Amino acid sequence: EAGVTQFPSHSVIEKGQTVTLRCDPISGHDNLYWYRRVMGKEIKFLLHFVKESKQDESGMPNNRFLAERTGGTYSTLKVQPAELEDSGVYFCASSQQQGTEQYFGPGTRLTVT
Amino acid sequence: DQQVKQNSPSLSVQEGRISILNCDYTNSMFDYFLWYKKYPAEGPTFLISISSIKDKNEDGRFTVFLNKSAKHLSLHIVPSQPGDSAVYFCAASEEGSARQLTFGSGTQLTVLP
Repeated sequence: EAGVTQFPSHSVIEKGQTVTLRCDPISGHDNLYWYRRVMGKEIKFLLHFVKESKQDESGMPNNRFLAERTGGTYSTLKVQPAELEDSGVYFCASSQQQGTEQYFGPGTRLTVT
Repeated sequence: DQQVKQNSPSLSVQEGRISILNCDYTNSMFDYFLWYKKYPAEGPTFLISISSIKDKNEDGRFTVFLNKSAKHLSLHIVPSQPGDSAVYFCAASEEGSARQLTFGSGTQLTVLP
C-alpha cells in the first residue's frame, strides 16, 4: 500500500510569488490534514478535510493560504502571495477515521527568498 | 502557550540499554496520545499510541505509559538500537475537535553503539 505522497519535495520561490503544494493521501483515507513546521519549531496544525469538505481550518495563518480537496482525493495548498515567514516544511497526513493514527507524508520544504 | 511539552531536547543512550522519553501536557481535554519518530528529510512515522482509558500500551520494544493525574506520558524503548536514533515527537488530540494533533518540540535520541 502506497503511503502519503507530497509534491514537490522542495520549492524555492521569491517573495510575492505563488506556490502550490500537492498531497496524495493513502487510498481510502477520508481524513486529510495539513501541518507546518517553521524554523525547526513544533509541527503545527493548519487544516483538516473530511473527504472534500473542510472541517476545521482554524490553524490557517491568514487568507494568503488556500487549501482545496476537489473530489475528496488529493489536496492542494496554495500560498499567494508568499512571504518570507511562510518558509518551512509543510506536511500532509491522512487517517482512515478521526481519532486514529495519522500517517504523514515526507513533507515539502518551502523556501521563500 | 505550549500544550504539549518535551523538556529534554536530546538524550543519549548506550545500545542495548533502555531509552526513556518524556512528555508533559497541560490540556486536560486531551484523550489520545501518540509518539512519532522522525528522520531528517522525512515525515514523522507513527510509532505507538494510547487512549486516556489506558495507562499502558506495548508494541514490541516500545511501551508508552500514561499518567493522567500528572498529565505525563513516557515512551520506553528497550533494548535500544542504533537505528532508533531519530527525533521523537509526542502528540495529543482531543475529542470534539477535528482530531488534529498538537505536537511537542521533539527529543533527539542518539543510541551509541
